[in-house]
Amino acid sequence: ETGVTQTPRHLVMGMTNKKSLKCEQHLGHNAMYWYKQSAKKPLELMFVYSLEERVENNSVPSRFSPECPNSSHLFLHLHTLQPEDSALYLCASSQLISAYGYTFGSGTRLTVV
Amino acid sequence: AQSVAQPEDQVNVAEGNPLTVKCTYSVSGNPYLFWYVQYPNRGLQFLLKYITGDNLVKGSYGFEAEFNKSQTSFHLKKPSALVSDSALYFCAVRVLTGFQKLVFGTGTRLLVSP
Repeated sequence: ETGVTQTPRHLVMGMTNKKSLKCEQHLGHNAMYWYKQSAKKPLELMFVYSLEERVENNSVPSRFSPECPNSSHLFLHLHTLQPEDSALYLCASSQLISAYGYTFGSGTRLTVV
Repeated sequence: AQSVAQPEDQVNVAEGNPLTVKCTYSVSGNPYLFWYVQYPNRGLQFLLKYITGDNLVKGSYGFEAEFNKSQTSFHLKKPSALVSDSALYFCAVRVLTGFQKLVFGTGTRLLVSP
C-alpha cells in the first residue's frame, strides 16, 4: 500500500449509470489530484484540490464531477459516460508545496459499455 | 510552457546490460525533476528526484539519474537491467502556480529481455 487508497479497483458501468470513484489518503497531505490515463496518451490532469478547494479544472466534461469533503477524501462522480471515458483513473496526493512530488493510488480501471 | 519530453516510446535491453531512459526538460528557473515507474494496472511509484546538489541522484531498485543543466536532460539509468524492471517510466517536472503540480512526459516503456 502506498498510503493512497482507491476504490473500487475495477468498475464496469453502462452509459446511463451513475457511479463514484473514491480516493483516501492518511498521509497528512493537503492537496489531491485526479488524473486520467488512457492507452497511448499522456497522463491527463483532470482536477486539483488544494485545502479542499478546487483550484484547477482542465476542461473536463461535466459528466465528471469531483468532490473533496475533507483533506483525506476525494471522490469522482460519474454519470452518462461515453465509451471513450474508459481509462485508468489515478488519484494522487501531496503537500501543497513540497519537494517530494506526489503519492499515487493504484488507480481504478473504468470500462464504459 | 514548462514541460518534459521523453523521446522514446519504448526501450529494449537485454538482462544484465546497462539501460538508459531519456528525458529532457523545459522550465524557467531551477527544475524539480522526478522519475516514476508504473507496473501494469498499478499507480505510479516514485523512483527518485532531483532538487539541488549532486547531479547524480540515486533512487529505488538500483536506479539513478543524471541531471545535466547544459543539455537540459535528466536521463534515468541502471548499470545492469533486470527482467523485473520491465515497466512504464515517466519523467516529470514540478510546476508552481500557487500550488504544486507535476507535468508528466508521455512515458517510455522499458522491455528487458531474458
